[in-house]
Amino acid sequence: SQTIHQWPATLVQPVGSPLSLECTVEGTSNPNLYWYRQAAGRGLQLLFYSVGIGQISSEVPQNLSASRPQDRQFILSSKKLLLSDSGFYLCAGTATGELFFGEGSRLTVL
Amino acid sequence: SQQGEEDPQALSIQEGENATMNCSYKTSINNLQWYRQNSGRGLVHLILIRSNEREKHSGRLRVTLDTSKKSSSLLITASRAADTASYFCATGSGGSNYKLTFGKGTLLTVNP
Repeated sequence: SQTIHQWPATLVQPVGSPLSLECTVEGTSNPNLYWYRQAAGRGLQLLFYSVGIGQISSEVPQNLSASRPQDRQFILSSKKLLLSDSGFYLCAGTATGELFFGEGSRLTVL
Repeated sequence: SQQGEEDPQALSIQEGENATMNCSYKTSINNLQWYRQNSGRGLVHLILIRSNEREKHSGRLRVTLDTSKKSSSLLITASRAADTASYFCATGSGGSNYKLTFGKGTLLTVNP
């Protein structure tokens, strides 16, 4: 079965500090991968998606970036966090059209 | 921008009752999917219905799709307390750059 491992689960960072969230995929090859952000009580906002190694598409302008150094590895980064970057980040993947999700990373920027 | 919009935003029912959630969308779709999210967790895929299908069943779940009205509904029959969660619809665009756009969700509370 397809599984996404995502870490860290919880992160508290000061404004201006860097960020690295990582997810890895098991059970499928060459998946499309996605980073979503979910604000409290709201839906999911698509931040980035990738159809292959080194291929990243950004959906919204922001101070975050994404990278896919390996087929099953997807990383979300920032050089300097803003307060507005706080939220629940979800990594997701698909090889069939149905998304499978990681358990999420809750980021609090203080 | 969000493609799907769920209605109602929140729904509270008693165990054993049926729960119906609706989703409306704006543009043509290849498929529509429903997902469930327990508080603080990742989303779990429930069911996918293609644009040429009108109804689909999976256990206690029944999904309908009306492409002329650009709407879908999710029915959960004989609800249980464990069904308490947020439910999201998502619409899919095809091609290699496949993306799902999610609505804001319906928070379902099933009271024991």
